[in-house]
Amino acid sequence: QLQLQESGPGLVKPPETLSLTCTVSGGSISTGNYWWGWFRQPPGKELEWIGIIDYNGRTYYNPSLKSRVTLSVDTSENQFSLKLSLVTAADTAVYYCTKAVGVPDSSLTDYWGQGTLVTVSS
Amino acid sequence: EIVLTQSPGTLSLSPGERATLSCRASQSVNRNYLAWYQQKPGQAPRLLISGASSRATGIPDRFSGSGSGTDFTLTISRLEPEDFAVYCCQQYGSSPYTFGQGTKLEIK
Repeated sequence: QLQLQESGPGLVKPPETLSLTCTVSGGSISTGNYWWGWFRQPPGKELEWIGIIDYNGRTYYNPSLKSRVTLSVDTSENQFSLKLSLVTAADTAVYYCTKAVGVPDSSLTDYWGQGTLVTVSS
Repeated sequence: EIVLTQSPGTLSLSPGERATLSCRASQSVNRNYLAWYQQKPGQAPRLLISGASSRATGIPDRFSGSGSGTDFTLTISRLEPEDFAVYCCQQYGSSPYTFGQGTKLEIK
């Protein structure tokens, strides 16, 4: 059974960079047709898609966050990571790492991590 | 981007009853790529339905999805105690993928 686990600081100061890592177990991150992604959910708001990456490093980002987001993948560690720069209080959210299948402009997210709360505050 | 509006915001029902949840899109969803997820506090979201009507692996057949274009429905035929949760719809037919605000299904 595939499992995804987010890790990283729970508190980030503005305007620093938020950094999270997702460790994949029960499967290989180097599987074709899989996309590894990030979503977030601010308190009381709907889920928001951040972006996806494949094991070759091809990325697709939400245009609203693209200028601040970097996704990367480490196949040797079976991990992928999110960096979000210049954070503000509006970036406070539960961040989820995910696995998706399909083509990048219409990939279906079928596995989610438990999520990790990141608070942006000085 | 496509805006998804779910209704009702909260649905109060009893175990054994039928639940009908709605998800309306601001424009047609490409290829009816509409998914439904179940969210419980502290747990990973769980995929229930993809492509508007295909049940995900391991999902009980009391869950069914229907609809096309801009109007979609999730139906739970006979509510079990474990079904009380928040349900979200997502369109993944065009970027950026977007979600509805969720329907909270609570015990009456």
